[in-house]
Amino acid sequence: DTAVSQTPKYLVTQMGNDKSIKCEQNLGHDTMYWYKQDSKKFLKIMFSYNNKELIINETVPNRFSPKSPDKAHLNLHINSLELGDSAVYFCASSPGYLHSSTDTQYFGPGTRLTVL
Amino acid sequence: LAKTTQPISMDSYEGQEVNITCSHNNIATNDYITWYQQFPSQGPRFIIQGYKTKVTNEVASLFIPADRKSSTLSLPRVSLSDTAVYYCLVGVKTGANNLFFGTGTRLTVIP
Repeated sequence: DTAVSQTPKYLVTQMGNDKSIKCEQNLGHDTMYWYKQDSKKFLKIMFSYNNKELIINETVPNRFSPKSPDKAHLNLHINSLELGDSAVYFCASSPGYLHSSTDTQYFGPGTRLTVL
Repeated sequence: LAKTTQPISMDSYEGQEVNITCSHNNIATNDYITWYQQFPSQGPRFIIQGYKTKVTNEVASLFIPADRKSSTLSLPRVSLSDTAVYYCLVGVKTGANNLFFGTGTRLTVIP
């Protein structure tokens, strides 16, 4: 009965490959997010979706494309992987319709991506 | 854009009270302050949230002065299991509704 789940937990791949990370939440939340945590542990928001619509799109390369088939899922597809993409990617969700600073976010366990 | 500043790291002995302060000089009127805890190899977990004065729950207390330019997370009687990174988060509405986590404070509890 995991609230926010991600697959895979670990992903090791070669430069130039295309990969996807899946995220699902069973909390009935309206908003989902993708964060990137680099080796220095900075946690930076990448995308936010509300009811399948993109709300936040931070300055990330367009090689990263989020896809939300329904409001319980937010997948992250990455094209032409680069060494600098190596990081831990966290999915999160929150109840709010329009994100506000009062929303509590629930994070998934993370996906550690290693690009060789 | 508002940013948060926290000490990079802190050490404490078991059983002591730990206070972690976060500076957020440009906090907006409608913004709340939220603290998250992150254990190694896990996602952040919500601890506490507040707007002003003091908030207390079963885990921690949050102290916010009248000017709201800073906040202090207080952990009573820490144990080894409280060793984690603590993030201060201030929501800033800039049209893009950006969220910024602070640099985080790595708390190490020593036996």
